[in-house]
Amino acid sequence: GEDVEQSLFLSVREGDSSVINCTYTDSSSTYLYWYKQEPGAGLQLLTYIFSNMDMKQDQRLTVLLNKKDKHLSLRIADTQTGDSAIYFCAESMGSSNTGKLIFGQGTTLQVKP
Amino acid sequence: NAGVMQNPRHLVRRRGQEARLRCSPVKGHSHVYWYRQLPEEGLKFMVYLQKENIIDESGMPKERFSAEFPKEGPSILRIQQVVRGDSAAYFCASSPGGGADQPQHFGDGTRLSIL
Repeated sequence: GEDVEQSLFLSVREGDSSVINCTYTDSSSTYLYWYKQEPGAGLQLLTYIFSNMDMKQDQRLTVLLNKKDKHLSLRIADTQTGDSAIYFCAESMGSSNTGKLIFGQGTTLQVKP
Repeated sequence: NAGVMQNPRHLVRRRGQEARLRCSPVKGHSHVYWYRQLPEEGLKFMVYLQKENIIDESGMPKERFSAEFPKEGPSILRIQQVVRGDSAAYFCASSPGGGADQPQHFGDGTRLSIL
């Protein structure tokens, strides 16, 4: 089946780390993505990870993948007020190989000064 | 380098009218995806096109919705005889290839409101 689940809301203080979690169901997913959406805007690609990796780091962003548990997380170090947005995880349907993305419902990150 | 361009940004239609949404992909990208975002929800896949071909339309409603990506010009998502339930944000994404390893780059979307 195709299903991606995220918690809906996360609130942190500026300077703290944020961890946004995601679970997915399709074991054939080959790539997993994180996108950021600011109000009234489109989706900005943040990072992505191939399913044979368990970690990827890119500046303040760290992605962890537990393929056994089908769990993906995005850690944002030193969270800033500009990081306030909705964060979507998405899986790419590897079995169909058309590249279509299945999105979670998004996690709203609120960063308090 | 222009990103994915969608127009119009906002579109208002009355019930029964037609809505045409346009998407110009990133220069050099020949693969286009359309997604729909209902309020407070994530994006749902609608259709995947390459130049002049529909590759996967498994997310498209069977009636009233159609999409094309002609050899020249933008991709068009057309909704005929719109109803209130069509009110949503419609996003287009493009990629250089169609595989799972090709990150999709999104436009800013068209917000469609049906009166």
